[in-house]
Amino acid sequence: DTEVTQTPKHLVMGMTNKKSLKCEQHMGHRAMYWYKQKAKKPPELMFVYSYEKLSINESVPSRFSPECPNSSLLNLHLHALQPEDSALYLCASSQEAGTQPQHFGDGTRLSIL
Amino acid sequence: SQELEQSPQSLIVQEGKNLTINCTSSKTLYGLYWYKQKYGEGLIFLMMLQKGGEEKSHEKITAKLDEKKQQSSLHITASQPSHAGIYLCGADKPGGSEKLVFGKGTKLTVNP
Repeated sequence: DTEVTQTPKHLVMGMTNKKSLKCEQHMGHRAMYWYKQKAKKPPELMFVYSYEKLSINESVPSRFSPECPNSSLLNLHLHALQPEDSALYLCASSQEAGTQPQHFGDGTRLSIL
Repeated sequence: SQELEQSPQSLIVQEGKNLTINCTSSKTLYGLYWYKQKYGEGLIFLMMLQKGGEEKSHEKITAKLDEKKQQSSLHITASQPSHAGIYLCGADKPGGSEKLVFGKGTKLTVNP
């Protein structure tokens, strides 16, 4: 069982919809991450939060909006996505930003119609 | 930027056979991490290597770090179908970095 919980596991949405992905960890980690993974590719970093503040944005389009309400929760708000945004979205956490290992959730499989 | 090359890209073995997966870095390795991923699922952390010559084992999986060669190897002894999946190596930059760079992965199939 993973210690990082992501919901939902699957999400299908239209290009005009607004939805959110959620991630939760109770390991006391102070860094949380969002990754995007396309089929047969390695995960690519999107965002890093350190002590609930955004520390890295890897030039991600504004249609993806991260939010860290508290040290245990990380959200990814989605709006006006494109079909090419269909992918597996992975959340991870680590003790602090820059420390390893990162612990990953099982991901949300997102499909954009 | 640092790049990690994994070999082979895919591997099919018979149950009970030993196998090795390699991860070679374009730059000096300061921390090397091995993860396993089953299709459509998250990454499971396997091992972390941080010193040249370091070797770690967990059950039937052994990982080594050759700092001089900028390479790490993952060796599975007496493979089982449960070992099947995609093995990813990851590395970070000296001094620590929030950004973990991954290799493209090695897909392992173990036939019963």
